[in-house]
Amino acid sequence: NAGVTQTPKFRVLKTGQSMTLLCAQDMNHEYMYWYRQDPGMGLRLIHYSVGEGTTAKGEVPDGYNVSRLKKQNFLLGLESAAPSQTSVYFCASSRQAMNTEAFFGQGTRLTVV
Amino acid sequence: KNQVEQSPQSLIILEGKNCTLQCNYTVSPFSNLRWYKQDTGRGPVSLTIMTFSENTKSNGRYTATLDADTKQSSLHITASQLSDSASYICVVSSYGNNRLAFGKGNQVVVIP
Repeated sequence: NAGVTQTPKFRVLKTGQSMTLLCAQDMNHEYMYWYRQDPGMGLRLIHYSVGEGTTAKGEVPDGYNVSRLKKQNFLLGLESAAPSQTSVYFCASSRQAMNTEAFFGQGTRLTVV
Repeated sequence: KNQVEQSPQSLIILEGKNCTLQCNYTVSPFSNLRWYKQDTGRGPVSLTIMTFSENTKSNGRYTATLDADTKQSSLHITASQLSDSASYICVVSSYGNNRLAFGKGNQVVVIP
């Protein structure tokens, strides 16, 4: 059972480049999330989705876009990467609302130089 | 101000010893509180969930407590093992709010 899988695991970008992080879950969960985790800070919600075809902004959405074309996939895009977006990104999914258990991927370490 | 405060920020304990981690929150109205364990380089994994009516819950050597009146929770680790070295994150959810409040984590290092 794979659970939540993120690709890639590591990436280095130059300022201004674009990229897409892919998250896939095989648990048929309705809710999916993208978080970033920075040293000395808690996980911060970037965007989330409550079902296929829906997306919503979290607390730090600027500079990111997302899409949920298929229920099992949630994509996070950076159109023009900035050094401030250097972080570890986690995707998560949950069966129903946010107060149910979230299952996290292994993380993507992104460095923008 | 963060709605979830955890203490201590970090601690080092000897293998076999016990330790207690604290979580204070201001989230309201309260729905539930989870403790997650995050190993280095991995995503968080849920350890326990506490709802309003629960005071204590155990998962192996981990025991969580909740005092909803004072809005405090603790996670007690008994007879620590090297594999307990991790960050422990307190996460609080509220009714009617599609958000979770994350603490910054307690970094635990168990040494032989």
